[in-house]
Amino acid sequence: DAGITQSPRYKITETGRQVTLMCHQTWSHSYMFWYRQDLGHGLRLIYYSAAADITDKGEVPDGYVVSRSKTENFPLTLESATRSQTSVYFCASSESYVGVYNEQFFGPGTRLTVL
Amino acid sequence: QKEVEQNSGPLSVPEGAIASLNCTYSDRGSQSFFWYRQYSGKSPELIMSIYSNGDKEDGRFTAQLNKASQYVSLLIRDSQPSDSATYLCAVNIPPDSSASKIIFGSGTRLSIRP
Repeated sequence: DAGITQSPRYKITETGRQVTLMCHQTWSHSYMFWYRQDLGHGLRLIYYSAAADITDKGEVPDGYVVSRSKTENFPLTLESATRSQTSVYFCASSESYVGVYNEQFFGPGTRLTVL
Repeated sequence: QKEVEQNSGPLSVPEGAIASLNCTYSDRGSQSFFWYRQYSGKSPELIMSIYSNGDKEDGRFTAQLNKASQYVSLLIRDSQPSDSATYLCAVNIPPDSSASKIIFGSGTRLSIRP
């Protein structure tokens, strides 16, 4: 089915472990984004990517790593998870990032708990 | 000062009435404005986008933009219980040395009472 998917949907891990959250989109959108959503902070941009092999930091990038070897995939890795990274993570994509075609469409989210 | 501000609510509106949601933004160069609806435990869903001053209507939803006042609003006519959700305002921030980015407000929780 067309759209944007995330896996896993739920993840519990321990402090210090490496975790990778997956994001896949079938629209061939150029831009992809990772956000975290926490009570009191709304949606905060972690990283974004303009195309394969092009990534850039957002508002809260520390502790996260991204890659984009293929247009359709944009995995987010927590290299050494901390409790402060407990959050709901949303992946999004858009056709463009400037002009009038920059509506972003969101995946279903991954709820991550770090113990 | 936050770049995109919304009243967190909750905003309680009787069924059938008009719900009015407001958002202010700080960057005068912003060009794109969005309203997302987010049900509890779900992902944000785009419901309206607006790019020029004035009103834009889509069904029961009307987005209003006033760039001079740096103000964007969403009106929901004939409010239904299914409209109960958190509404996120999003605004693009023009690029300085990097690409443009979109900033989200913290959202307004709307409750439609029967």
